[in-house]
Amino acid sequence: QVQLVQSGAEVKKPGASAKVSCKASGYTFSSYYIHWVRQAPGQGLEWMGVIKPSSGGTNYGQKFQGRVTMTRDMSTSTVNMELSSLRSEDTAVYFCARGTEYFDWLGWGYWGQGTLVTVSS
Amino acid sequence: DIVMTQSPLSLPVTPGEPASISCRSSESLLHNNGYTYLDWYLQKPGQSPHLLISLASDRASGVPDRFSGSGSGTNFTLKISRVEAEDVGVYYCMQALQTVTFGQGTRLEIK
Repeated sequence: QVQLVQSGAEVKKPGASAKVSCKASGYTFSSYYIHWVRQAPGQGLEWMGVIKPSSGGTNYGQKFQGRVTMTRDMSTSTVNMELSSLRSEDTAVYFCARGTEYFDWLGWGYWGQGTLVTVSS
Repeated sequence: DIVMTQSPLSLPVTPGEPASISCRSSESLLHNNGYTYLDWYLQKPGQSPHLLISLASDRASGVPDRFSGSGSGTNFTLKISRVEAEDVGVYYCMQALQTVTFGQGTRLEIK
C-alpha cells in the first residue's frame, strides 16, 4: 500500500536549518510529484513547494524562495525538504503529500503523518 | 496569487442535518484542458488532511457518498447531505491552477 513516512520531530535554534524527510513506498516513486505544506499551531495550511522526483525539478512558493530546498534520493525513494534561516514563525507541522498520475498538482490522496519543527532559543 | 475565500468559518451542525460550505476563488479555476483545479480536504483533529473531492466534483476513493462537490469558475460548494459525528474537523478548499493556495478553513462542529 502507498505510504509516505516522515522523519521525526526537531527542535532548532533561530538561524539554523531544519531538514525533513519523506520516504515513499508502495508505488513507483518517479511517477508522482511530492508537495510540501506546513501548518503553524492553530492555523491553516500553507503550500511551500513541489518536487518532480523523476527529474528533481522544483517549484517553490514565493514566500519560501531562497530559504527552502527540496531534493530527492532515487535510491531510497525519499524526498527531503530543508528550510534555512529559521525563525520562530517557522514553528509548524510540515507535511508531504503526493499528487496523482494524471494531475500532478492536485488530488493529494496520500499524505505523510506530519513532522513538528519547533524553533526556539 | 489566487485568493481562496471560504464561508462560513465555523459551522455548528446537528447530526443528521445537511451542511454546506462555500469557497470562492479570485480567478476562474478552469484550466485550458477543460478541468477545474479545485480540491476539498478534511483535516480531522490530530490528523493529516485527507482528500474528499478533486476536480471540483470527483469524490475520492472511499469517501462516503453523503459528500458532494459542485461549482465552476470561481464559485464552489461542498455539501454533506446528512452530517455524522465523524465529520467533525476543518474543511479546506484548495486551488492548484496557479501554484497552490488554500482557503482559511471551515471548522465543522456537532451541536
